[in-house]
Amino acid sequence: DVKVTQSSRYLVKRTGEKVFLECVQDMDHENMFWYRQDPGLGLRLIYFSYDVKMKEKGDIPEGYSVSREKKERFSLILESASTNQTSMYLCASTTQISGTGTYEQYFGPGTRLTVT
Amino acid sequence: LAKTTQPISMDSYEGQEVNITCSHNNIATNDYITWYQQFPSQGPRFIIQGYKTKVTNEVASLFIPADRKSSTLSLPRVSLSDTAVYYCLVGDLRYSSASKIIFGSGTRLSIRP
Repeated sequence: DVKVTQSSRYLVKRTGEKVFLECVQDMDHENMFWYRQDPGLGLRLIYFSYDVKMKEKGDIPEGYSVSREKKERFSLILESASTNQTSMYLCASTTQISGTGTYEQYFGPGTRLTVT
Repeated sequence: LAKTTQPISMDSYEGQEVNITCSHNNIATNDYITWYQQFPSQGPRFIIQGYKTKVTNEVASLFIPADRKSSTLSLPRVSLSDTAVYYCLVGDLRYSSASKIIFGSGTRLSIRP
């Protein structure tokens, strides 16, 4: 089974702290994603990486940065956490569906971050 | 960008067929349509994906008309465990352009006994 794991299920940080959210996938996937999920807004893409050291901004990158030093690990960084970054953060990776040429996205369990 | 629109919520009963429609008027030629299921406190789970016409797997069917401006997820004979939020995703996950990946706001499906 494909596994996408996230370093914490729940995290509480203070305003101004630097926050690291880690994501690891064990299937050698090339593409990895970070989303945040808020009530009424669905999933919004923060950043995306298609290879080691490669990244692209999603719809809401402001206040976030990412790091991909190894293929299996994709980190989301909040340089100075703010209360409006309180949210559920979801990591995902993609793999090609055998025989179809299309891709399937696997999600991690999520990290619920609270910034006080 | 292919913005998607889904109903906010739907109710049904056990044993019924449920159809959830997603509108995506600006879908691009290379975009695929993917549906996900999400339970509380879990990440979304892939259900089905298609490009055109009809796709069927062991849990659902996906109907896509010729103009591809909408799609319908069909869940046959739902049970209480199908109560979840269902997301429609339009985009091509192969491309490096992250702005091509759009999730809908989700449909909260409630199944009653």
